[in-house]
Amino acid sequence: SYELTQPPSVSVSPGQTARITCSGDALPNQYAYWYQQRPGQAPVLIIFKDIERPPGIPERFSGSSSGTTVTLTISGVQAEDEADYYCQSADSSATYYVFGTGTKVTVL
Amino acid sequence: EVQLVESGGGLVQPGGSLKLSCAASGFTFSGSAMHWVRQASGKGLEWVGRIRSKPKDYATAYAVSMKGRFTISRDDSKNTAYLQMNSLKTEDTAVYYCTRPSDSVGGAFDIWGQGTLVTVS
Repeated sequence: SYELTQPPSVSVSPGQTARITCSGDALPNQYAYWYQQRPGQAPVLIIFKDIERPPGIPERFSGSSSGTTVTLTISGVQAEDEADYYCQSADSSATYYVFGTGTKVTVL
Repeated sequence: EVQLVESGGGLVQPGGSLKLSCAASGFTFSGSAMHWVRQASGKGLEWVGRIRSKPKDYATAYAVSMKGRFTISRDDSKNTAYLQMNSLKTEDTAVYYCTRPSDSVGGAFDIWGQGTLVTVS
């Protein structure tokens, strides 16, 4: 089965930059999406089609893509950014969907 | 307001069945695929499956671990999607979310329900 691999955790001080990677074999051919999930809440879409930001999402969130890895960057991290972050994509036939293993961002 | 509301969760014994519902409002439900995603306590998000719209023959697809036990259906007249779960196992214990992919965000899941808790014990 298709997998997306993320680091389990990232720690960052307020105002610094956090980078979260997501690796998967199909990523060169399929878009990736990023979701933020705070405790007890449903996920919220923060990046779509690798690099696009939905309306209402702060500019400090950005996405990039290179080969089999996509990256979510949070610039000028704020305390409210402490959450779990998941990448998501689909297999090469776009039939089966998959979420990354998730990354917990801790703001020191 | 665009909204998804899940219901039907609860406590069920191993081997039992449960049917979850996802009521949609605020958008054209009949034109949208619908997906189910689950999350065990303290664990990550896991895609369960999806059902497409009528023009795409209500095609379904499921995660390998759930195929054959779970069935997704929909009733466009009631703006509701369903997840029928059979032969439940303790490892199916999770919060189950329904969600909608939207073309406006490249097929990403832009709307999520609040989730409904299923406990198999």
